[in-house]
Amino acid sequence: KAGVTQTPRYLIKTRGQQVTLSCSPISGHRSVSWYQQTPGQGLQFLFEYFSETQRNKGNFPGRFSGRQFSNSRSEMNVSTLELGDSALYLCASSSQYSGANVLTFGAGSRLTVL
Amino acid sequence: KQEVTQIPAALSVPEGENLVLNCSFTDSAIYNLQWFRQDPGKGLTSLLLIQSSQREQTSGRLNASLDKSSGRSTLYIAASQPGDSATYLCAGGPGGGADGLTFGKGTHLIIQP
Repeated sequence: KAGVTQTPRYLIKTRGQQVTLSCSPISGHRSVSWYQQTPGQGLQFLFEYFSETQRNKGNFPGRFSGRQFSNSRSEMNVSTLELGDSALYLCASSSQYSGANVLTFGAGSRLTVL
Repeated sequence: KQEVTQIPAALSVPEGENLVLNCSFTDSAIYNLQWFRQDPGKGLTSLLLIQSSQREQTSGRLNASLDKSSGRSTLYIAASQPGDSATYLCAGGPGGGADGLTFGKGTHLIIQP
């Protein structure tokens, strides 16, 4: 059974650019959540999608957005990148919404903003 | 707003010891409590999930407990092995799908051979 796949694994951008990260959940999972991990703040919740609808959103600026497709694959986009956006971005999938079920995480996409 | 704290931040013990990792949370309305491990440069691996109606969960050498009244959870690792070296994170689920999971900063565990 394939796990959660995140692409790209590593990327380098410059300030002001935008970036799109992709997450393919475990087959049959309908919930995809996104988290940002930094050394200073730890893991912080970005948003969760369930059946193509955003269920919840964390306390991040509008530059952070996402979407989910009919096959449950999800993308997140960060526009007008800032140095502070450098982080490991993790996605997780679960069969139902993330608050009540075991989450399976991907290996993450490490973003460096120069 | 839920806050999760993990103590200690780092721990180094010799192989074979039993050890306890602590996690405290501020909102007793927590829906469930999950423990994860994270290896360097990798994502998170779920270890145990304790629902709010449960008091503990066990998997192999791992045992996690949940005391909602005191706002605490502990992860007990028996007979530690070098392969247990990792960062261990606990996370509280708010239930109702609100705000995702709230994570602690983790305990960085090193098991000395």
